[in-house]
Order: sequence, then C-alpha cells, then structure tokens
Amino acid sequence: AQRVTQPEKLLSVFKGAPVELKCNYSYSGSPELFWYVQYSRQRLQLLLRHISRESIKGFTADLNKGETSFHLKKPFAQEEDSAMYYCAPRVFSGTYKYIFGTGTRLKVLA
Amino acid sequence: NAGVTQTPKFRVLKTGQSMTLLCAQDMNHEYMYWYRQDPGMGLRLIHYSVGEGTTAKGEVPDGYNVSRLKKQNFLLGLESAAPSQTSVYFCASSYSRGQFGSYEQYFGPGTRLTVT
Repeated sequence: AQRVTQPEKLLSVFKGAPVELKCNYSYSGSPELFWYVQYSRQRLQLLLRHISRESIKGFTADLNKGETSFHLKKPFAQEEDSAMYYCAPRVFSGTYKYIFGTGTRLKVLA
Repeated sequence: NAGVTQTPKFRVLKTGQSMTLLCAQDMNHEYMYWYRQDPGMGLRLIHYSVGEGTTAKGEVPDGYNVSRLKKQNFLLGLESAAPSQTSVYFCASSYSRGQFGSYEQYFGPGTRLTVT
C-alpha cells in the first residue's frame, strides 16, 4: 500500500541540539518529496523540496532511495523552529497528488 | 496579492444542515485542492481540480461536493453535515507543470468547522 510515515508525533529538543524529523515512504516509482511547515497561527507553507537540494532556515533533507526515507535535519535547533512539520511525497495516481504524512510537532526548549 | 483566502474562518453547524466553504486565489493557479486536517491524521485530500470546470475525488470525498465554475474559486459543499465532518478545512492552489503535475502548493488560513 502507498503510504508516508512520520513515526514521531512529538519531538522535543533543547535549543542548540541537533534535530532529525523522520519520514519514510512506500511508493512505487520515484516520487518528488517535500517538507511543509506550519508555525503557530500561520498557514501551512513549503519548507523545502528534495529536487532543489537546498538548505532552508538551516534545514536539509536527503532522499535515501534505498531506505525510502526523506528525513529532515538541522544541526542546531532554534526556538523559532518550533512548529508542525509534514512530509509530503508527490505521487502519480491518475494525476499528480500530494500525500501528507500525519505530521511531527517539534518543540525546541530554551 | 491576497494569495489564497477562505470564507468563513469559523462555523458551527447542526447535524443535517448544509453549508458551502469558499476558496479564492488571485495567483492564476490552475490547480486547487480541499483538505481536511484532523488530530493524528495529518492532511487528507477531499477533492481537487486541475482546471476551471473540472473536479476529481481525493482520498476522503464522501459527504462533500465541489464546484470550480471560475478559475479563481473552488467551492466545497456539505449537503447534510455530520459530526464526523468536524474538522479544520484547508484550501490550496498551485501552478500546473503540464504533464508533470503541479508546483508547490499555497495554502489558505483554514476554516474551523464544528458540527454538533
């Protein structure tokens, strides 16, 4: 079955500590992978996409096709990183669609 | 640009009542989507549209209908609301990449709907 899994509902880390938000997917083919973020009282917005190989706000995400994972990482967490993070593969099923994971709430503690 | 706007922001319905949620975008996007967000479930796609006059079912379409009569608007209707439809509803839009689907999605602020 096609699915995307974010195993942690809540992840708490201290400011300055490294953070890794896990995402595993099981889709045939090669989906495009994205991370979306929702800060408190703000709308959901794109954080980064794997095809761009970019670093946004210090976050990076490496696509591991062998493990079918797309974990989001940041070496030094900041309090302003506290938010809800969604992994979202874009898959083809009749047409292209995003499939959102259940999300991980990141809390960065002072 | 206002981006993606949603009307209303909040609504309380009684079981069996009907309502329409309006999504509007001013970015000339071809694709538009309706999602619902429930605790522990993430965002689930209800219906989507790849262009004016076209709509398609998503992951959880039952109990909802949609229309895209104008490119900039995407309406979500609940004909007979049920408590299970209590949720936060998000609209999104994106550009088309032709045969490669869509670009990133731009989201509205959400509509919080409670059905009692």
